[in-house]
Amino acid sequence: QVQLVQSGAEMKKPGASVKISCKTSGYDFTNNWIHWVRQAPGQGLEWMAIIHPGRDSGRSARSFQGRVTMTSDTSTRTVYMELSSLTSEDTAVYYCARDLAGGWTFDVWGQGTMIIVSS
Amino acid sequence: QSALTQPPSVSGSPGQSVTISCTATTSDVGAFNHFSWYQQPPHTTPKLLIYEVTQRPSGVPDRFSGSKSGNTASLTISGLQAEDEADYYCTSVTNSATWVFGGGTKLTVL
Repeated sequence: QVQLVQSGAEMKKPGASVKISCKTSGYDFTNNWIHWVRQAPGQGLEWMAIIHPGRDSGRSARSFQGRVTMTSDTSTRTVYMELSSLTSEDTAVYYCARDLAGGWTFDVWGQGTMIIVSS
Repeated sequence: QSALTQPPSVSGSPGQSVTISCTATTSDVGAFNHFSWYQQPPHTTPKLLIYEVTQRPSGVPDRFSGSKSGNTASLTISGLQAEDEADYYCTSVTNSATWVFGGGTKLTVL
C-alpha cells in the first residue's frame, strides 16, 4: 500500500535549519507531487510547499519563500524539506502528503515530524 | 488571515446531520471546484474525506457528502456518530497553484 514515512522529531535552536525526510513506497515515485503542510501546537493546518519528485521543481507559499528548500532522491524514493532561519514560531508538526493526481488535494499523509525550536 | 473561512465549532447529537461551511473570502480560490475536506481526530493525522467538492475516496462512508454554492463549499455529515468528533478542515488550490486551508471547525457530538 502507499506509505509515506517521515524522519523523527528534532529540537533546534533559533536561527538554525532543519531538514526533514519523507520516504515513500507503494506507488510510482515520480507520478505524484508531494506537499508539505505544518500544524503548530493547538493550531490549524498550514500549506507550505509542493515539489515534483525527480524534477525537483515546485513552489511554496509566500510566507515561506526564501526559507524552504525541497529536494528529492529517486534512488531512495525520498523527498526532503529544509527550513532555514528557524524561530519559535516554526515549532510545529510537519507533514508530507502525496498529491492525488488530478484531484488537486492530498490523499496520503506521512505520520508527521515534530520540530521544536527553542533556545 | 485564511482565505477560506470556516465556523470555529459546530455540534450535533448522535443520528442528526450537521453541515460545515467553507467560504472563500478572496477571488483567487472561489472560482475553482477544487475544494477538499479533511477529518482530524485529536492527536492523529488528517484524513481525506471529500475532494473535487463532491468526490469520496474509497473507504469513506457515504454519510459524508460535499457540495458547493457560489464561493461556499459545504461538508454534510449525516447520521452523526460519536467517532465523528474531530476537527474538520477545508482546502482549495488558488489561482497561483498554491493551496490554502480553512481555519478548521471543531465538531462536538453531544
